[in-house]
Amino acid sequence: QKEVEQNSGPLSVPEGAIASLNCTYSDRGSQSFFWYRQYSGKSPELIMFIYSNGDKEDGRFTAQLNKASQYVSLLIRDSQPSDSATYLCAVRKDTGRRALTFGSGTRLQVQP
Amino acid sequence: EPEVTQTPSHQVTQMGQEVILRCVPISNHLYFYWYRQILGQKVEFLVSFYNNEISEKSEIFDDQFSVERPDGSNFTLKIRSTKLEDSAMYFCASRFTGDLNYGYTFGSGTRLTVV
Repeated sequence: QKEVEQNSGPLSVPEGAIASLNCTYSDRGSQSFFWYRQYSGKSPELIMFIYSNGDKEDGRFTAQLNKASQYVSLLIRDSQPSDSATYLCAVRKDTGRRALTFGSGTRLQVQP
Repeated sequence: EPEVTQTPSHQVTQMGQEVILRCVPISNHLYFYWYRQILGQKVEFLVSFYNNEISEKSEIFDDQFSVERPDGSNFTLKIRSTKLEDSAMYFCASRFTGDLNYGYTFGSGTRLTVV
């Protein structure tokens, strides 16, 4: 079982729509959860992180965490073509390996 | 906005040669990391560094790899004898503290090509 799983996509949404990106993780010791955006050939860029159950909003982005279900999601409202990228979910544990563990990413395509 | 700076942006080296990848973390950050991403694959953790010593390393980080912070600002990754499979993007990252509520800032990366 992969530590961090994401659907590879592509997820295609029309401009202005809500994009919903999902991530599951296997280790219940995971404490904090990060969403990064990565354009092709570029480095990961932090969008937001969350460590408490529930929702966290930042502008057009909302991260949702459900530790009981071991599930974290990212909603992008009013999607723009510039949001087209690969979205990486990363998880950090509080014990053992504390470095970030990344999923393989979901490719998002926003159609104009 | 403060940045993590990496040099060079692209390095081509012959198999068996030594390479040093350089990073300047954000100035008040205390935790430093190296990750790599083989083309088309996920970002993989190599090593973390805190208080002038390695705090954690992955199975990838074997004896051919080493890190150091030679002058209090630069953070380097050395690969002693490069192999073809070391070809990847190498990302340096830094973090202010080890607390839950701080993100990791990544540098722009060094593309290493081993021929």
